[in-house]
Amino acid sequence: DVKVTQSSRYLVKRTGEKVFLECVQDMDHENMFWYRQDPGLGLRLIYFSYDVKMKEKGDIPEGYSVSREKKERFSLILESASTNQTSMYLCASSPSGTGGQSLHFGNGTRLTVT
Amino acid sequence: GDSVTQMEGPVTLSEEACLTINCTYTATGYPSLFWYVQYPGEGLQLLLKATKADDKGSNKGFEATYRKETTSFHLEKGSVQVSDSAVYFCALSRNTDKLIFGTGTRLQVFP
Repeated sequence: DVKVTQSSRYLVKRTGEKVFLECVQDMDHENMFWYRQDPGLGLRLIYFSYDVKMKEKGDIPEGYSVSREKKERFSLILESASTNQTSMYLCASSPSGTGGQSLHFGNGTRLTVT
Repeated sequence: GDSVTQMEGPVTLSEEACLTINCTYTATGYPSLFWYVQYPGEGLQLLLKATKADDKGSNKGFEATYRKETTSFHLEKGSVQVSDSAVYFCALSRNTDKLIFGTGTRLQVFP
């Protein structure tokens, strides 16, 4: 069974801190995604990576960056955390060319910025 | 641009009641359509899908039919259980690996 593991379930950080959210998948998937989930807004794509060292901006990339040095790991970085980045963050992975039919999600990281 | 609109929740039902969660979409061409479910404390998982007009996706007693003429993909179940309590997301993809999600609809089923 595909497993997508997010390193932290809950995280509390202070405004201005640099924050790293880590995600690891164990099925050799080419694609990895970071979504943000907010009530009333659903899931919004932050960044997408389709290969090692490749990345593409999603709908809301401002204030975020990503790193994909190895195929199985995709990191989301908040360079200087702000209170409006308090949210649930979901990582997902999928094989290339499956058109959304094989998207596997992690359990999420709930980030609070105070 | 492409978008998905879902009915707002929460939807509150008694066990064994019928369920319909409305979903409509805006997209050019023929997108693939999906329903994902998020149980409490978990990530999303695929519930069912349909890849062309008039296709019916089904799983765990849930069904949804791809209606091109009304650009809809409503989720239905004839008899809900307490264990169906979750958040349900409608989504589409248009020949890419990226999904566009709706806002989600919370379902609460009481015994």
